[in-house]
Amino acid sequence: AQKVTQAQTEISVVEKEDVTLDCVYETRDTTYYLFWYKQPPSGELVFLIRRNSFDEQNEISGRYSWNFQKSTSSFNFTITASQVVDSAVYFCALGTNAGKSTFGDGTTLTVKP
Amino acid sequence: DAGVIQSPRHEVTEMGQEVTLRCKPISGHNSLFWYRQTMMRGLELLIYFNNNVPIDDSGMPEDRFSAKMPNASFSTLKIQPSEPRDSAVYFCASSPGTGSSSPYGYTFGSGTRLTVV
Repeated sequence: AQKVTQAQTEISVVEKEDVTLDCVYETRDTTYYLFWYKQPPSGELVFLIRRNSFDEQNEISGRYSWNFQKSTSSFNFTITASQVVDSAVYFCALGTNAGKSTFGDGTTLTVKP
Repeated sequence: DAGVIQSPRHEVTEMGQEVTLRCKPISGHNSLFWYRQTMMRGLELLIYFNNNVPIDDSGMPEDRFSAKMPNASFSTLKIQPSEPRDSAVYFCASSPGTGSSSPYGYTFGSGTRLTVV
């Protein structure tokens, strides 16, 4: 069975602080895909990034970076120099070739000015 | 590109009534997904289609729920009869990949907030 755990339910930081959102996954498949989505207060779900199981390269996009470690089954997301506009619920998700995509319960990030 | 279009944005209905939610996926995307989001259960995949064919509907909660995709540009999710516990935000998403394991990210619609009173 697939499982995605986002242990941090809520995180609150002050603007310009760095923040890391944790994601741990479980799957028996050897080929799988990991995703992060953002859900701002307006409610829409926005795709941020996809990572394949066979590609452990970390990725940086502006203030966003992702650290994928198969050894610990983790796909963590770091926001550098956080801004108020980063306040949202962030979901980590796991997709495999064998079954349905599974979302974590989400982490609510609040960035205070 | 207008993105994934869902209608209505909000729906308030009385218990027992039929509710139909609509979705227009992005042109060229061959996978379509219906999700439900509640505080208690988070995001749940209800059903997904690949090339207009339902592939996995095991997430559909009960026989009261049904979904169709008559063509590549339109899908409906119907609840009949509706119950208060169906109140949730229903999202439609599409993807250019095939199946729920698509290596591509999903593009979600804005969602339909359903309230059953």
